[in-house]
Amino acid sequence: GAGVSQSPSNKVTEKGKDVELRCDPISGHTALYWYRQRLGQGLEFLIYFQGNSAPDKSGLPSDRFSAERTGESVSTLTIQRTQQEDSAVYLCASSQRTSGYNEQFFGPGTRLTVL
Amino acid sequence: GNSVTQMEGPVTLSEEAFLTINCTYTATGYPSLFWYVQYPGEGLQLLLKATKADDKGSNKGFEATYRKETTSFHLEKGSVQVSDSAVYFCALSVSGANSKLTFGKGITLSVRP
Repeated sequence: GAGVSQSPSNKVTEKGKDVELRCDPISGHTALYWYRQRLGQGLEFLIYFQGNSAPDKSGLPSDRFSAERTGESVSTLTIQRTQQEDSAVYLCASSQRTSGYNEQFFGPGTRLTVL
Repeated sequence: GNSVTQMEGPVTLSEEAFLTINCTYTATGYPSLFWYVQYPGEGLQLLLKATKADDKGSNKGFEATYRKETTSFHLEKGSVQVSDSAVYFCALSVSGANSKLTFGKGITLSVRP
């Protein structure tokens, strides 16, 4: 079956512009996560969705970042007024949620470059 | 808070050499521990995991043992191959409402023929 997909794979934008990053999770996975990897750093948690709700947004770095999920499926991460420090690879992961830990399956990521 | 510390890289080895990649952690609560791998041009994938103290995770010839007393989860392989060249990430998750992963910085392994 299809894995997690993300689009676009690469995005170059100018400082101050808004960008939208898309994630298509594995069908039937109710949990969805966004992470960010800046150069030379590990992955940082951004936000977690259970269904269409986001009970944990603690990793969003500023109010310029927002995310939504619809139909318990596709999620969009939006960054407004992008800054150079937003340049990173943005990764999406999904998992089944029953109880305890469920393996997270990662997408290939979106590489964002802010000029 | 939770954190994961990995040894500095990159690491370059010859084929069939022994590999150890160190990983230590701090956690509030009882974590599950993971090694993720990212092969060139591919997405991040789970390599192995251990969910309680003294458990050994293993896969593709790699092993790691959950050591609560030393808060460590070192990755080992007895004989590396060129195909093992990748970036390796140690991570933890504390069971609770969301099971988010906390990652180390990752280490690049290059294996020479």
